[in-house]
Amino acid sequence: DAEITQSPRHKITETGRQVTLACHQTWNHNNMFWYRQDLGHGLRLIHYSYGVHDTNKGEVSDGYSVSRSNTEDLPLTLESAASSQTSVYFCASSDQWTDTQYFGPGTRLTVL
Amino acid sequence: GENVEQHPSTLSVQEGDSAVIKCTYSDSASNYFPWYKQELGKRPQLIIDIRSNVGEKKDQRIAVTLNKTAKHFSLHITETQPEDSAVYFCAAIIYGGSQGNLIFGKGTKLSVKP
Repeated sequence: DAEITQSPRHKITETGRQVTLACHQTWNHNNMFWYRQDLGHGLRLIHYSYGVHDTNKGEVSDGYSVSRSNTEDLPLTLESAASSQTSVYFCASSDQWTDTQYFGPGTRLTVL
Repeated sequence: GENVEQHPSTLSVQEGDSAVIKCTYSDSASNYFPWYKQELGKRPQLIIDIRSNVGEKKDQRIAVTLNKTAKHFSLHITETQPEDSAVYFCAAIIYGGSQGNLIFGKGTKLSVKP
């Protein structure tokens, strides 16, 4: 069955380290998104991509970057992790016709 | 910027009662409004959505209504059950070209007491 996966599911890192979170979908969706979820803030958009080699900044993009080299993957990189980036990160994807987004299982990141 | 307001932030009902969650949006061009349910420790899952060409949509015990003039939409859950307990998020799509992004409300924690 087609699906969307994230890895790792849990990550503990130290301030200043570079961290990459993986997102992989097998639906062949053009659109992929990264959100962070924090108590009291709901889901906030970090970066998004509408296709291969396309990337765009979302509401809370500072300190994060993405790249899209193929349809299936949109890795999220924290260049220099900060304690304020401790959060749960969700990846989502949608096709170009319906706008319906499907979420991955999430990655819980702790920055010490 | 564009935003989505969601109320209430918490809602407690007795099993069998109805629950209503309301959202307002700011972008008059929005035309797609999904609702997601998130159980503790799980991913958000789509439960129902509505497009602006209809005013109401039902799926068993769940219904969504949309008032485009007033820019608000609501989720109605009838005959609530303990398994309905979760956080519910509304969203509205914002277009910046041919594709759109979802703007989410901050969520409503629904508790259904047996």
